[in-house]
Amino acid sequence: QSVLTQPPSASGTPGQRVTISCSGSSSNIGSNTVNWYQQLPGTAPKLLIYSNNQRPSGVPDRFSGSKSGTSASLAISGLQSEDEADYYCAAWDDSLNAHVVFGGGTKLTVL
Amino acid sequence: EVQLVQSGAEVKKPGESLRISCKGSGYSFTSYWISWVRQMPGKGLEWMGRIDPSDSYTNYSPSFQGHVTISADKSISTAYLQWSSLKASDTAMYYCARLSITFGGAFDYWGQGTLVTVSS
Repeated sequence: QSVLTQPPSASGTPGQRVTISCSGSSSNIGSNTVNWYQQLPGTAPKLLIYSNNQRPSGVPDRFSGSKSGTSASLAISGLQSEDEADYYCAAWDDSLNAHVVFGGGTKLTVL
Repeated sequence: EVQLVQSGAEVKKPGESLRISCKGSGYSFTSYWISWVRQMPGKGLEWMGRIDPSDSYTNYSPSFQGHVTISADKSISTAYLQWSSLKASDTAMYYCARLSITFGGAFDYWGQGTLVTVSS
């Protein structure tokens, strides 16, 4: 059972807009920023969004992030077949000693 | 170019010890923490712990505290993840990742992963 809660799956057709939610608590999302990672099949994760809504260099602006209270969302607009991957949210958690918690991951299927 | 290069796949028996490595290059190794992340077969990402290579300060996820040891040798820009007695349940892909304070505590670079298989 992951500390952060994500839907296990999401889907959309090419060109559509898809959102993936991530729910946490006051000790993680509620008090720290959220990061999102994309993991293409058979590869290492890649940083997609940091500090809630910032994109690293090279990440298309089709990807955007937001946060409100103890929840966050990743939005993908203009869906493309190459976006088919697993997506994970993550945040630092201040309970006990500070540590990172991940969501369980959302498998995005492009129909 | 920033790179984290991990050691190769391992096949071990239950009860054996193991140390896997993660070598950083293309940046100042002591300026960024290194974390280890587990991914069990078909499952999600789990943060195991992190080390500050400048002083070898570590902290661990409560789930992994006491089960693994994270260390680093800054003279060769390498971090390690170590087990003293492996179990079948340690079978997983293990990733090292660089933690960037500039990027809000996110992992901005990842190693390619080391597959550890524990089987009798």
